[in-house]
Amino acid sequence: GQNIDQPTEMTATEGAIVQINCTYQTSGFNGLFWYQQHAGEAPTFLSYNVLDGLEEKGRFSSFLSRSKGYSYLLLKELQMKDSASYLCACMDSNYQLIWGAGTKLIIKP
Amino acid sequence: GAVVSQHPSWVICKSGTSVKIECRSLDFQATTMFWYRQFPKQSLMLMATSNEGSKATYEQGVEKDKFLINHASLTLSTLTVTSAHPEDSSFYICSAPTSQAYEQYFGPGTRLTVT
Repeated sequence: GQNIDQPTEMTATEGAIVQINCTYQTSGFNGLFWYQQHAGEAPTFLSYNVLDGLEEKGRFSSFLSRSKGYSYLLLKELQMKDSASYLCACMDSNYQLIWGAGTKLIIKP
Repeated sequence: GAVVSQHPSWVICKSGTSVKIECRSLDFQATTMFWYRQFPKQSLMLMATSNEGSKATYEQGVEKDKFLINHASLTLSTLTVTSAHPEDSSFYICSAPTSQAYEQYFGPGTRLTVT
């Protein structure tokens, strides 16, 4: 079956760095996405990885290892506004997104 | 980036009535749109794929006669929740891919409360 695993909740301190991990098992693979979702709002796109390696975009970076079925989202210089849920999603061979349950990130001052 | 709108943003209705939710791609054409449902503290659950000019594709367990989808044009898809029940109360979100298959933009969501 298809499965996406990520931690339910993480806590970090303002100004610090946090890494949110995601492991996946899907039928085919056409890329992995990270989305940010604030409470009561729709998800917003953060990153897309289809090749192995690290993609950096400002304070956020995303890493992919296809052989390990593993990705992480790295958030640097954390700000209070980064408190949100972070959703990992894989696009399978039918170009459908398979979603993880999301990681709720709590930022403390 | 591309913009997807939804209307209404929130709606309260009585049990047994029907509610229509619109999803529009404002600055691009979308032959496909996706409808999701999200219950509190849970992830997105794909309900159906809306296809312009043809029937929607429903995910397993989603009643197509209860959740009517119409994709009448390249910029508009509608989801009608028929004979709504309190358990249908949820956050409904649509999304649409742009010309690059991996880029998918989400509408702001519609919060439905059935009393």
